[in-house]
Amino acid sequence: QGQLVQSGAEVKKPGASVKVSCKASGYTFTDYYMHWVRQAPGQGLEWMGRINPNSGGTNYAQKFQGRVTMTRDTSISTAYMELTRLRSDDTAVYYCAAISRKTWGQGTTVTVSS
Amino acid sequence: DIVMTQTPLSLSVTPGQPASISCKSSQSLLHSDGKTYLYWYLQKPGQSPQLLIYEVSIRFSGVPDRFSGSGSGTDFTLKISRVEAEDVGVYYCMQSTQLPPFGGGTKVEIK
Repeated sequence: QGQLVQSGAEVKKPGASVKVSCKASGYTFTDYYMHWVRQAPGQGLEWMGRINPNSGGTNYAQKFQGRVTMTRDTSISTAYMELTRLRSDDTAVYYCAAISRKTWGQGTTVTVSS
Repeated sequence: DIVMTQTPLSLSVTPGQPASISCKSSQSLLHSDGKTYLYWYLQKPGQSPQLLIYEVSIRFSGVPDRFSGSGSGTDFTLKISRVEAEDVGVYYCMQSTQLPPFGGGTKVEIK
């Protein structure tokens, strides 16, 4: 059926960066866009952007332009999302999702605290 | 950018009663391949979103038949024929044709 397995929880200080990984299995990684979505405590889902694993091309939500970088390593079927200049309001659960493949990761909790 | 609008924002339902959620897109979701890639997800508290419906009306494996999806073009509806306590959470319509893929969700509570 396919699955996405994300890296573990992170605790970061304000101003630091975080890089979350998302490893795909059970399907052809390069066939489906990988989206990154986050959810702050008590809030709804927020789309951050997507990467085309085949070409590496990206589309970012305007809110995150300049702070987010999405990359991939096709040799290990893994996508990455790096967010820089972290603030306390970046505290959230971060999901990777191959939406058109109907597959989501389990989520990675990122806590930003001094 | 496409705008996905769900109504209502929240819904309080008596168990056993029906419920309906509307999803409207600002542009047609009909893909050039003839399919419409509109999904309905339920996010239960503390969990990842779980797929209920894909391509407008196809129930995902294991989803109870009290859930049904309909619509075309820009207007879509999710119906729950008889709400059960386990149906509480936030429902999202999502699409994979244009960006961004979703808007706000609909919170469903039990009376």
